[in-house]
Amino acid sequence: DSGVTQTPKHLITATGQRVTLRCSPRSGDLSVYWYQQSLDQGLQFLIQYYNGEERAKGNILERFSAQQFPDLHSELNLSSLELGDSALYFCASSVEGGALGNTIYFGEGSWLTVV
Amino acid sequence: DQQVKQNSPSLSVQEGRISILNCDYTNSMFDYFLWYKKYPAEGPTFLISISSIKDKNEDGRFTVFLNKSAKHLSLHIVPSQPGDSAVYFCAAYSGAGSYQLTFGKGTKLSVIP
Repeated sequence: DSGVTQTPKHLITATGQRVTLRCSPRSGDLSVYWYQQSLDQGLQFLIQYYNGEERAKGNILERFSAQQFPDLHSELNLSSLELGDSALYFCASSVEGGALGNTIYFGEGSWLTVV
Repeated sequence: DQQVKQNSPSLSVQEGRISILNCDYTNSMFDYFLWYKKYPAEGPTFLISISSIKDKNEDGRFTVFLNKSAKHLSLHIVPSQPGDSAVYFCAAYSGAGSYQLTFGKGTKLSVIP
């Protein structure tokens, strides 16, 4: 158990809909990251928050957005869903925002299936 | 353009033998490399890392080697055990204030008893 909690674990929704994925970081971790793993793909970095503020942005679509709340949990919002958005979405957390050698810990992921 | 490449999608090794997983990268700005192990229905788990100022890092049965001139790193598992059967991801980043990891597509290791 990494200490990173993601909900829901599985989600099936229709095209055009909107979903919210939730992540609770490890106790004491200030940084939260979101990654997407599509079929046969490596993990793709989406976005990072550090202590409530956006720290870095990767290949995140404009239809997607995220935020980190004062209690440090984070939500990833996916809207106008398309079939290609079906993927495993991982949240990860770390103490620091990017210190060299720092380790990030991943949650078990949220499986999103768009039909 | 894939900056971190794991060219072997799968690898089978006999229990007790050495497993060697390879990873190549193209971005010379990467200065820290990590290996993650992933079991089905679980998130990736950190395994071992290496800084670009080193060429080797060892942790028990796991050793990572880095060849900067070739932009190549490898993970050696000795001896391999059935419990090592998992997908192994190579990841890299440049430690410039953001932990934006770039991952390879993974290599599925099967250790045969």
